[in-house]
Amino acid sequence: GENVEQHPSTLSVQEGDSAVIKCTYSDSASNYFPWYKQELGKRPQLIIDIRSNVGEKKDQRIAVTLNKTAKHFSLHITETQPEDSAVYFCAASSTGRRALTFGSGTRLQVQP
Amino acid sequence: NAGVTQTPKFQVLKTGQSMTLQCAQDMNHNSMYWYRQDPGMGLRLIYYSASEGTTDKGEVPNGYNVSRLNKREFSLRLESAAPSQTSVYFCASIGDWHSGNTIYFGEGSWLTVV
Repeated sequence: GENVEQHPSTLSVQEGDSAVIKCTYSDSASNYFPWYKQELGKRPQLIIDIRSNVGEKKDQRIAVTLNKTAKHFSLHITETQPEDSAVYFCAASSTGRRALTFGSGTRLQVQP
Repeated sequence: NAGVTQTPKFQVLKTGQSMTLQCAQDMNHNSMYWYRQDPGMGLRLIYYSASEGTTDKGEVPNGYNVSRLNKREFSLRLESAAPSQTSVYFCASIGDWHSGNTIYFGEGSWLTVV
């Protein structure tokens, strides 16, 4: 089955700096890669996703890049703010598998 | 429009007791899922139902059973609870994998087995 690895497990940045979280996946059939933000005690919330027919997608301060050849994708957050502090999860799935496999999460702390 | 609704939100069980977590969605979604999340870890798939009348095992199905009662409801049953099943359980649903839909999660159910 699919295996998703996520790095780093913790990330501390100063307010205004950029943050980058990286994930690799194992199943070459995977074609959908969402990123979720989870605040303490809350449900995961989708923040951005990308499908395998594009290499990059942006939404304001958040961007995701995908390298299908290397089987890795990354989340980029620019101009970080204290409210960006949370745990971020990457995930991967394929049309055939129809279920998300999650990475182990990155705890992002933005220092004011 | 409530989205995905899970009950109960909190539950404490004794080892060996049984219980059922209920999940319902009002978005007419085809696929439904049960995940568990242990402290400091990602979500792991327990069981899923790609469509009404079908269920399939995920990564960690041992100790659990599921029922897709109808298109709206997907329940998770612990027949004989064990401390290793202490976790947060999330139900989720999605309409159609092909059409760019998003997976929606319920608010979670915190289960403690003592």
